[in-house]
Amino acid sequence: DGGITQSPKYLFRKEGQNVTLSCEQNLNHDAMYWYRQDPGQGLRLIYYSQIVNDFQKGDIAEGYSVSREKKESFPLTVTSAQKNPTAFYLCASSISGGSPYEQYFGPGTRLTVT
Amino acid sequence: QQPVQSPQAVILREGEDAVINCSSSKALYSVHWYRQKHGEAPVFLMILLKGGEQKGHEKISASFNEKKQQSSLYLTASQLSYSGTYFCGTEKKEGYNDYKLSFGAGTTVTVRA
Repeated sequence: DGGITQSPKYLFRKEGQNVTLSCEQNLNHDAMYWYRQDPGQGLRLIYYSQIVNDFQKGDIAEGYSVSREKKESFPLTVTSAQKNPTAFYLCASSISGGSPYEQYFGPGTRLTVT
Repeated sequence: QQPVQSPQAVILREGEDAVINCSSSKALYSVHWYRQKHGEAPVFLMILLKGGEQKGHEKISASFNEKKQQSSLYLTASQLSYSGTYFCGTEKKEGYNDYKLSFGAGTTVTVRA
């Protein structure tokens, strides 16, 4: 079955540590996205990538970094510079960037930093 | 800039109708609608492209008024399965072939028997 996998589902870290969230897709999609979801704020775009080896900052990129070395993988690193990292993180992909292509979402990773 | 959704929440009885609105201060190229059930990933419902089109998905339909920079989602004869949080995602073109969605804060719909 094609889809997007994110691991782990729950992640706990101590403040000051970097942590990497995994996102893999086998849909052969060119575009991939990372969103952060906080209660009452909807989805906010962190980074997105239209093609391999290229990515752009979204609306809240500060304190995060990404790489896109392979088409199927788009890992997100939450660095110690991110002031409030506790959140629900969603990865998504689409055939290509923009309309009329829908985005497919992974199950998400809930990160808790204490 | 995030679009504004209204209302924030709505409670319905099975069979009732509801309208969710999504407004933007920017000119829109398209509007996407997604539904997210508690603890799950958002699921795509429909895309509306510029041109004032309307689309439907089961008894859920939507309209897009490009001039008013807004979209509305219509839940008709609601079913229990319609419960969840509905998000609109608006899209504007930024640069050549460089698209991204801005999502609203969501509207939580609760359908009761």
